[in-house]
Amino acid sequence: GESVGLHLPTLSVQEGDNSIINCAYSNSASDYFIWYKQESGKGPQFIIDIRSNMDKRQGQRVTVLLNKTVKHLSLQIAATQPGDSAVYFCAERGLQGGKLIFGQGTELSVKP
Amino acid sequence: DGGITQSPKYLFRKEGQNVTLSCEQNLNHDAMYWYRQDPGQGLRLIYYSQIVNDFQKGDIAEGYSVSREKKESFPLTVTSAQKNPTAFYLCASSMGRQMNTEAFFGQGTRLTVV
Repeated sequence: GESVGLHLPTLSVQEGDNSIINCAYSNSASDYFIWYKQESGKGPQFIIDIRSNMDKRQGQRVTVLLNKTVKHLSLQIAATQPGDSAVYFCAERGLQGGKLIFGQGTELSVKP
Repeated sequence: DGGITQSPKYLFRKEGQNVTLSCEQNLNHDAMYWYRQDPGQGLRLIYYSQIVNDFQKGDIAEGYSVSREKKESFPLTVTSAQKNPTAFYLCASSMGRQMNTEAFFGQGTRLTVV
């Protein structure tokens, strides 16, 4: 069945270092991928998205990489800050919209 | 301001009672979703609706019901048939099927069965 999973449940990094959060997906028909950030007790916030016709997209301090060959997605955060501490989820959606499927999440902890 | 609003933020329910969680959006989005989140877990899809008067079951629909009578509203009822209803419930909305864009989330309702 459809599933989106993350390789690491927790990630601890030093302030100022770069962070890389990984995600594997199983549905090769998925066309659209999103990264969300969720702080404790709040709803997820959109970070960045990427469509299947791209392999890289950059935002402010964040980059998403998509490798369709191995069905892998990653989120890179440059110069990680304490405010980046949160749980990060990847999500996928199939062609023409439809349900949005989330992975388990990775908790990012930034040490000062 | 445009956005998606869930209410109440905290909800307590006695065992055996039905309870309805509210979700309203003024973003003119066609699609709406309900997710359940348990501590330390990801988001699991309960129900979703692509258009008014239509909705589909997600992965964990048993014990829940929804309606979509208006575009801006997608209430979720947690019935007494749901055996473990204590959880954090999140509602989201997005543009319709023809526009594959991100979903915007509300701030969630934390339901506790007492």
